[in-house]
Amino acid sequence: EAGVAQSPRYKIIEKRQSVAFWCNPISGHATLYWYQQILGQGPKLLIQFQNNGVVDDSQLPKDRFSAERLKGVDSTLKIQPAKLEDSAVYLCASSSLLNTEAFFGQGTRLTVV
Amino acid sequence: DQQVKQNSPSLSVQEGRISILNCDYTNSMFDYFLWYKKYPAEGPTFLISISSIKDKNEDGRFTVFLNKSAKHLSLHIVPSQPGDSAVYFCAASVAGGTSYGKLTFGQGTILTVHP
Repeated sequence: EAGVAQSPRYKIIEKRQSVAFWCNPISGHATLYWYQQILGQGPKLLIQFQNNGVVDDSQLPKDRFSAERLKGVDSTLKIQPAKLEDSAVYLCASSSLLNTEAFFGQGTRLTVV
Repeated sequence: DQQVKQNSPSLSVQEGRISILNCDYTNSMFDYFLWYKKYPAEGPTFLISISSIKDKNEDGRFTVFLNKSAKHLSLHIVPSQPGDSAVYFCAASVAGGTSYGKLTFGQGTILTVHP
């Protein structure tokens, strides 16, 4: 079974530029999550999708972050404009109703300079 | 407000000995707890979990203990192996349906197992 796929693996951008990350969850997983992990901290949930609907985006900084999952499968997370403090690893995870845990991708390491 | 805390940033253990990683939580709504392991440049991988209706769950060399009254859980690895060297994250959620993956993580503990 293929795992959660994310791209790109690494991205370096200047502040005020925009960036997008892509995630393909495990096949059949209806629930998709985006987490932000700042160096030295644990991952923090940004947004949760159930199929193509948003379940929880209470911790997403909506003035600059946006996410979508149009067809209920792949998802993109966008930052526009980026700030220095957005430097982090962005992790995508997915789960199904049959699971009691989430499965994580390898993450995208973003550096904003 | 850190709802899940791992107060030990690092732990160093000799191969063959026991590793004990600790975690405290403050939110009484949490009723499902997980441990994830993370190697450099990889995403977290699920290790073991425990429901609040239990106080112990065992899987091979890994055992998780839950003390609900103290809002404390611990992960025991016996015997520890060099391949166990990684960052260990404690996480908590409210069980059920689509909520299992909606996790609140601790800061992580770096475990180093010396040969």
